Amino acid sequence: DQQVKQNSPSLSVQEGRISILNCDYTNSMFDYFLWYKKYPAEGPTFLISISSIKDKNEDGRFTVFLNKSAKHLSLHIVPSQPGDSAVYFCAAPLQGNMLTFGGGTRLMVKP
Amino acid sequence: DVKVTQSSRYLVKRTGEKVFLECVQDMDHENMFWYRQDPGLGLRLIYFSYDVKMKEKGDIPEGYSVSREKKERFSLILESASTNQTSMYLCASRRAGGAYEQYFGPGTRLTVT
Repeated sequence: DQQVKQNSPSLSVQEGRISILNCDYTNSMFDYFLWYKKYPAEGPTFLISISSIKDKNEDGRFTVFLNKSAKHLSLHIVPSQPGDSAVYFCAAPLQGNMLTFGGGTRLMVKP
Repeated sequence: DVKVTQSSRYLVKRTGEKVFLECVQDMDHENMFWYRQDPGLGLRLIYFSYDVKMKEKGDIPEGYSVSREKKERFSLILESASTNQTSMYLCASRRAGGAYEQYFGPGTRLTVT
C-alpha cells in the first residue's frame, strides 16, 4: 500500500497564477519530505525538501508547506510559468537509504 | 555536479530476451537504485545496492536481478523480458549517510514486444 499519495493526477493552471500540488502520507514516522520534478524523457530532479521540524520551506518561487497533524504537504509555485509544466513527485525516506514516492501529478501551465 | 548516465535512452526487445540496463555514476556514491516509472504508480523501487556486491530487494524485484561489481556501476538485468516489463527505467545514486536526495539518470524507455 502506498505510504505517500498524490490524489490529483493532473492540474492545469494559467501562467502567472499559483499552482498548488498536494501530497498525503500515512506513516507518522516520516520526518523528511522531498519534491522532485520530471520532464518527459528526462530523469527526476530534486526541487525542494522539508524537515518535519518545520512547517514551511521556501526557495524562490517554490514553497512547501507541511501539516503534520493532517499528514499533508503541499507545493506552491508562484507565479507559475510554462517551463514549470512537468510531473511532480513527492517522496519520503524509508529505512534511511530508500525513498518512497507518490504517484505524481502532471502540472500544465498554460501561456 | 553529480552525473548519472544510463547506457541507452530507448530499447526495443522481444519477449524472452535477456536485457541488460547499465548505470554509471561519477560521484563515488555508495548507494545506487533502480526504479521503474509507470503512469499513476509513481516510481517503484526494484533493487538497491548500498555497496559493491551488496544488494537489497525493493518493492517489485520479481523478474529482475542486479549486479554491482564496481562502485560506480549498477546493472539491472531482465532475465527473460515480458511485455509487462515495458516501462521507463530510472537509475539513481546517493551518498551514504548524507542528505536524502537521490540523483537520477535520464532514464531508459524499454519496450518489450
